[in-house]
Amino acid sequence: AQKITQTQPGMFVQEKEAVTLDCTYDTSDQSYGLFWYKQPSSGEMIFLIYQGSYDEQNATEGRYSLNFQKARKSANLVISASQLGDSAMYFCAMRNTGNQFYFGTGTSLTVIP
Amino acid sequence: NAGVMQNPRHLVRRRGQEARLRCSPMKGHSHVYWYRQLPEEGLKFMVYLQKENIIDESGMPKERFSAEFPKEGPSILRIQQVVRGDSAAYFCASSPFRENTEAFFGQGTRLTVV
Repeated sequence: AQKITQTQPGMFVQEKEAVTLDCTYDTSDQSYGLFWYKQPSSGEMIFLIYQGSYDEQNATEGRYSLNFQKARKSANLVISASQLGDSAMYFCAMRNTGNQFYFGTGTSLTVIP
Repeated sequence: NAGVMQNPRHLVRRRGQEARLRCSPMKGHSHVYWYRQLPEEGLKFMVYLQKENIIDESGMPKERFSAEFPKEGPSILRIQQVVRGDSAAYFCASSPFRENTEAFFGQGTRLTVV
């Protein structure tokens, strides 16, 4: 069974500080993709970053980086230099070889000025 | 290239009525996914479709819910005889048939059953 686990229902971070949002996954597939999405209060789902299971380098996109530890099956999102606009729900997701997407329960991030 | 289009954005139905939610995937995308999100909760997978085929409907309730993705036209999520517990945001996402590609989401349809 495919499973995504996000153990932090809510997180707080001071503006300009870095924050790590945890994500672990469970799959028996050899090839899969890992994704992070942001959902602000307005409700839309915004794609942030992607990591392939065969990628050796951690993915980075601007202030977002993905700390990929394959042996531990973790794909944590690191947001550097937090901004007030980063306050939102963050979802970790996995795409398996069957092309299904599975999402975690999300982490609510609040950036404190 | 327009994004994933969902309509209506907001839908109000009385208990017992039918709700039809539409999703037009991005051009060239052959995979459609439907998710339900309750307030303060994550995205719950409902169904995964390709053109004219249901690939995985393991997340969809066995009764009252159905989904289709015809050869022509949008994907439809249909909820018959709605109940208050069906009130939620329903998101559609689409993806091309490429492994290393994210799913692109629509804006969602917020269904309220009164």
